[in-house]
Amino acid sequence: DQQVKQNSPSLSVQEGRISILNCDYTNSMFDYFLWYKKYPAEGPTFLISISSIKDKNEDGRFTVFLNKSAKHLSLHIVPSQPGDSAVYFCAALESGGATNKLIFGTGTLLAVQP
Amino acid sequence: NAGVTQTPKFRILKIGQSMTLQCAQDMNHNYMYWYRQDPGMGLKLIYYSVGAGITDKGEVPNGYNVSRSTTEDFPLRLELAAPSQTSVYFCASGRQDYEQYFGPGTRLTVT
Repeated sequence: DQQVKQNSPSLSVQEGRISILNCDYTNSMFDYFLWYKKYPAEGPTFLISISSIKDKNEDGRFTVFLNKSAKHLSLHIVPSQPGDSAVYFCAALESGGATNKLIFGTGTLLAVQP
Repeated sequence: NAGVTQTPKFRILKIGQSMTLQCAQDMNHNYMYWYRQDPGMGLKLIYYSVGAGITDKGEVPNGYNVSRSTTEDFPLRLELAAPSQTSVYFCASGRQDYEQYFGPGTRLTVT
């Protein structure tokens, strides 16, 4: 059962416009969320995160919004650039065991068209 | 500072063969992880370690084994390879459990 869902496998956006990537989760106990970016033939790299005590976190062109009541988060990229073309994974931190563990969504492939 | 390194980059195995995927990090991180990523899927945790000598199972541990004799190295062993283990394998490390730095991955095909 997929606890972290990214329902859009792909998204195409024009350069300079806003990209909005969405993520839904089912476990209300998740209290920390992260976005990772992945280029082909490379490992994922950390992009931005948000704690459940906040509803927004901003870092340059990247902003993550969290709606706890809807169990939904989104990543906004403004303005989008061709170099942003990559797969974006949403992840949630699950508590328990010897350490907390990341639960990943299936990813959204973002294509930014010049 | 090389970060997280993985070898080999690619490997083709026959059914029933065994191999070890190597992972090393030079950042003195206590936490290390092995994930697999199947096409169209997210990363699934295979095994993890919170320090030398300490390992534990993740979500999909069957068919794999790990060891952590040093802080730097976290090899993943596949015994009796099966086609279902065809995947891209990522190793990661971090100072905290939410802070994970990933290696470039190993693409494994079992035929």
